[in-house]
Amino acid sequence: DQQVKQNSPSLSVQEGRISILNCDYTNSMFDYFLWYKKYPAEGPTFLISISSIKDKNEDGRFTVFLNKSAKHLSLHIVPSQPGDSAVYFCAASGDGNKLVFGAGTILRVKS
Amino acid sequence: SQTIHQWPATLVQPVGSPLSLECTVEGTSNPNLYWYRQAAGRGLQLLFYSVGIGQISSEVPQNLSASRPQDRQFILSSKKLLLSDSGFYLCAWSGMTNQPQHFGDGTRLSIL
Repeated sequence: DQQVKQNSPSLSVQEGRISILNCDYTNSMFDYFLWYKKYPAEGPTFLISISSIKDKNEDGRFTVFLNKSAKHLSLHIVPSQPGDSAVYFCAASGDGNKLVFGAGTILRVKS
Repeated sequence: SQTIHQWPATLVQPVGSPLSLECTVEGTSNPNLYWYRQAAGRGLQLLFYSVGIGQISSEVPQNLSASRPQDRQFILSSKKLLLSDSGFYLCAWSGMTNQPQHFGDGTRLSIL
């Protein structure tokens, strides 16, 4: 039972353009959502989060959008840079502690 | 600032051998602590979490156990490893409710 789904295994974007990573969830009890970035052989690094009381949160080049009615969130990276190439994980929590992760999307930014 | 240390970085063990992976956190008190496993091509699966010394919650039935002997120390163990225990193990910590979890660099465990 995948409660958090990232349906795109990979995404390729040209440097300077926008990267949009998508995530869907099924559990309506989730109220806190996060995006992590992961390089090979390293632990995930926290990027940005959003509470269910908001529909947008922005931090520099990264913006997360939350559509509660569609149970969908997305991460926008503008402009994309080669160093952004990594695996991006979406995660959600309904109890403030335990996170449920998606399978990840590999982002490749071409220079 | 807070830091999390996890070791070893890689480990190769024979089937049936015991396991002990250690994780320590510095720069914070009474953190929530977590053990995750990432199988190849998959997301992170929560194995155990702890909200205090001696308090362990198991999320999935498995061949592993966890202990928290000190406030900032979290240990993942097994008495007899199985081939299916291979994977990338990650320790994480968080502060209060609805705060991001912060991860260590992981241990790549290969069972032969």
